[in-house]
Amino acid sequence: AQSVTQLGSHVSVSEGALVLLRCNYSSSVPPYLFWYVQYPNQGLQLLLKYTSAATLVKGINGFEAEFKKSETSFHLTKPSAHMSDAAEYFCAVSVGSDDKIIFGKGTRLHILP
Amino acid sequence: DTGVSQNPRHKITKRGQNVTFRCDPISEHNRLYWYRQTLGQGPEFLTYFQNEAQLEKSRLLSDRFSAERPKGSFSTLEIQRTEQGDSAMYLCASSFGRVGTEAFFGQGTRLTVV
Repeated sequence: AQSVTQLGSHVSVSEGALVLLRCNYSSSVPPYLFWYVQYPNQGLQLLLKYTSAATLVKGINGFEAEFKKSETSFHLTKPSAHMSDAAEYFCAVSVGSDDKIIFGKGTRLHILP
Repeated sequence: DTGVSQNPRHKITKRGQNVTFRCDPISEHNRLYWYRQTLGQGPEFLTYFQNEAQLEKSRLLSDRFSAERPKGSFSTLEIQRTEQGDSAMYLCASSFGRVGTEAFFGQGTRLTVV
């Protein structure tokens, strides 16, 4: 069965610094991968998704992620953090058209002034 | 508003009571998911539907939980004989159900069992 592991339940970065949120997946077949963001008291919102078209995926709000098959990773990055990026971020995986979307435990991103 | 709609937004119930939540997906979407989220955790898969067919129910889900999507449109999630451990945010999401398509989430129903 597929799964994702997010390393670090909390990550703190200074405003203007690089954001790196880690996600590793486990799947016996090529996966589809997603990053979602959840702001306080709001629903989950899609940031970006990987569907095999390109290994470097660009999303909303300046975020991007790179699919690395050799490392089974799909880390999320943003060159310069903004205070408004403070939120919970979830990596998710699905396999095939009939399979469910499975989420990681999430990483809470804190932005330091 | 054409997003995923969940009702009620909040529900407080006494232990042992039954509760039912409703989800109205985006109208063109044929797949519907239910998840449960507790504080500091990611959404935990409960069950999902393709049109009116229930494709899978999580093995972690007790028999007190049941979900329906009778006409392939809205869905209901019922919890019978609620327990304090059922307190959580219940999330509904919908998608086109095609390969690699993302799910769109509602705002959730927060259940508190007292």
